[in-house]
Amino acid sequence: QSVLTQPPSVSGAPGQRVTISCTGSSSNFGAGYEVHWYQQLPGTAPKLLIYANSNRPSGVPDRFSGSKSGTSASLAITGLQAEDEADYYCQSFDSSLSGSVFGGGTKLTVL
Amino acid sequence: QVQLVESGGGVVQPGTSLRLSCAASGFTFSTYSIHWVRQAPGKGLDWVAFISYDGSNRHFADSVKGRFTISRDNSKNTLYLQMNSLRAEDTAVYYCARESVPYGQWHNLDSWGQGTLVTVSS
Repeated sequence: QSVLTQPPSVSGAPGQRVTISCTGSSSNFGAGYEVHWYQQLPGTAPKLLIYANSNRPSGVPDRFSGSKSGTSASLAITGLQAEDEADYYCQSFDSSLSGSVFGGGTKLTVL
Repeated sequence: QVQLVESGGGVVQPGTSLRLSCAASGFTFSTYSIHWVRQAPGKGLDWVAFISYDGSNRHFADSVKGRFTISRDNSKNTLYLQMNSLRAEDTAVYYCARESVPYGQWHNLDSWGQGTLVTVSS
């Protein structure tokens, strides 16, 4: 059971918009710690997608956006493309655990 | 460019030990905190351990506390993970990952290695 809760899977057709939720608690998001998102394509290492709640690293398309409010965060992907099919993970710091925590991951399927 | 290369994985029996290494290049290693993150076959990412840029601060996941130690040799640009009393549930690909902000702690991980597979099996 992950400290951060994500839906196991989401799906959407090309061109559509999907969102992936990440629910935390008072010891991580609720305590003000930031959320980061990673994309993991099959057979590869994770790649930073969104950092500090809503910031995109250089090279990440603006189709990807992030937000955080209270004890929840979300990743939105607009204009879905086939190459977006991957696993997505949220991450934060948890003060109760004194360590980093990941969500269980969400598999995005592009129909 | 930033590069992290893990090594040391392999097949070991339960109860034995293994040491992983992570060789860094392309940045000033001594100024960045580093994490170990693992991924069991077909499963999600699981944070394992953290070491601050100067080695003064170290944290571990409860699942490995007391069995794993993390260290770094800034003169060799290398990070280590000493894994003792290995269990079947430690079977995973182990990644080292660099934080994005120099001299920081608990920031996002902007660079990852390719991972090294550890299999614990009798």
